[in-house]
Amino acid sequence: QVQLQESGPGLVKPSETLSLTCTVSGGPMNDYYWSWIRQPPGKGLEWIGYIYNIETTNYNPSLKSRVTISVDTSKNQFSLKLSSVTAADTAVYYCARRDGYSTPFDYWGQGTLVTVSS
Amino acid sequence: DIVMTQSPDSLAVSLGERATVNCKSSQSVLYSANNRNYLAWYQQRPGQPPKLLIYWASTRESGVPDRFSGSGSGTDFTLTISSLQAEDVAVYYCQQYYTAPITFGPGTEVDV
Repeated sequence: QVQLQESGPGLVKPSETLSLTCTVSGGPMNDYYWSWIRQPPGKGLEWIGYIYNIETTNYNPSLKSRVTISVDTSKNQFSLKLSSVTAADTAVYYCARRDGYSTPFDYWGQGTLVTVSS
Repeated sequence: DIVMTQSPDSLAVSLGERATVNCKSSQSVLYSANNRNYLAWYQQRPGQPPKLLIYWASTRESGVPDRFSGSGSGTDFTLTISSLQAEDVAVYYCQQYYTAPITFGPGTEVDV
């Protein structure tokens, strides 16, 4: 059974960079699409972007200038960096998997709350 | 971007009764080459991540009870819970995966 687990700081200061890692267990990373999705408290879901097979990334245009997603298959992990954060970036951040380019999200992490505050 | 809208924002249904959630996309998510609608439904219980219920607009994910069904095509879709159970209390989201950026509806809260 595939499992995903997010980790990283729960508090980030404004203007700094948010960094999260998703550890994947129970399955391979190659040939799957690994995404980050966020959900502000009490609000809906926003797709941030994905990485596929190390080199292919696609980001939501609304965040593209601030987002970097990378992968380390040797550790079975992929990561999110979001720069120049503000209070509007406070959210639960989920990592999730898709098994194809145009497929839904079949596995999700439990999510981690990141608060942006000084 | 494809904008997803849902109605109603929330609904209260008695146990054993039918619940219907509607979803509309700002452009068609039907790919004519394979006649598939790139539309999924998720259930999110409080404090939990979303769970995939339905994909290709009407295909139930493995393990999802058959009281959940999806229908529709093109731009208009419906999620139906035929007989609401207590464990179905949740927020339901539709999502299009036809094109990037992937977008979600705002959610519909289903309560008893």
